[in-house]
Amino acid sequence: LAKTTQPISMDSYEGQEVNITCSHNNIATNDYITWYQQFPSQGPRFIIQGYKTKVTNEVASLFIPADRKSSTLSLPRVSLSDTAVYYCLVGVAFMNRDDKIIFGKGTRLHILP
Amino acid sequence: GAVVSQHPSRVICKSGTSVKIECRSLDFQATTMFWYRQFPKQSLMLMATSNEGSKATYEQGVEKDKFLINHASLTLSTLTVTSAHPEDSSFYICSARIKKDRDYGYTFGSGTRLTVV
Repeated sequence: LAKTTQPISMDSYEGQEVNITCSHNNIATNDYITWYQQFPSQGPRFIIQGYKTKVTNEVASLFIPADRKSSTLSLPRVSLSDTAVYYCLVGVAFMNRDDKIIFGKGTRLHILP
Repeated sequence: GAVVSQHPSRVICKSGTSVKIECRSLDFQATTMFWYRQFPKQSLMLMATSNEGSKATYEQGVEKDKFLINHASLTLSTLTVTSAHPEDSSFYICSARIKKDRDYGYTFGSGTRLTVV
């Protein structure tokens, strides 16, 4: 599993767009990039997954440059309820094997009023 | 959507007793489940991989005799913390891979807050 590096913490204000970047220099050809969100005393929740270029869903966008050595999770117009820890994971996900997920340290996002 | 139900959400037990945590897949079959523990302000640490009908695979440094895992059916995995001590107090989370009509990836239980007094 490729190692990931994220900022330990970030602060932002309500209504702003928040971008969290994850570095994964050793990403392999088969690896996907997945982001999870975790609120205090809850299990992680899937946000978005991508392989290359850009992926968008109702919650976030994921930008992946051509070299795939980094990725950026973009949260549009955040609210106080987006305060959480965000984990970037890189591995062979959604394939026909039960790969275990190893979590890095994550980014603690704090949204201010 | 596919849900993993984890119980109890909170438990307080006395030192030396055992505690069982259950994780059920509600509308899908989970041949493999994963157990994590998480200390305050830290990331999730994988403890073991639970395989239906076979022995669990433990990560390095995790005592298999202390953290007993049973995966007797395709919808239920249990983690028993035996002879619990205060240092076992933590947040325990299970996870399963969702394979239904297509592959949805991984889903997580809501976690169990264990406090050993």
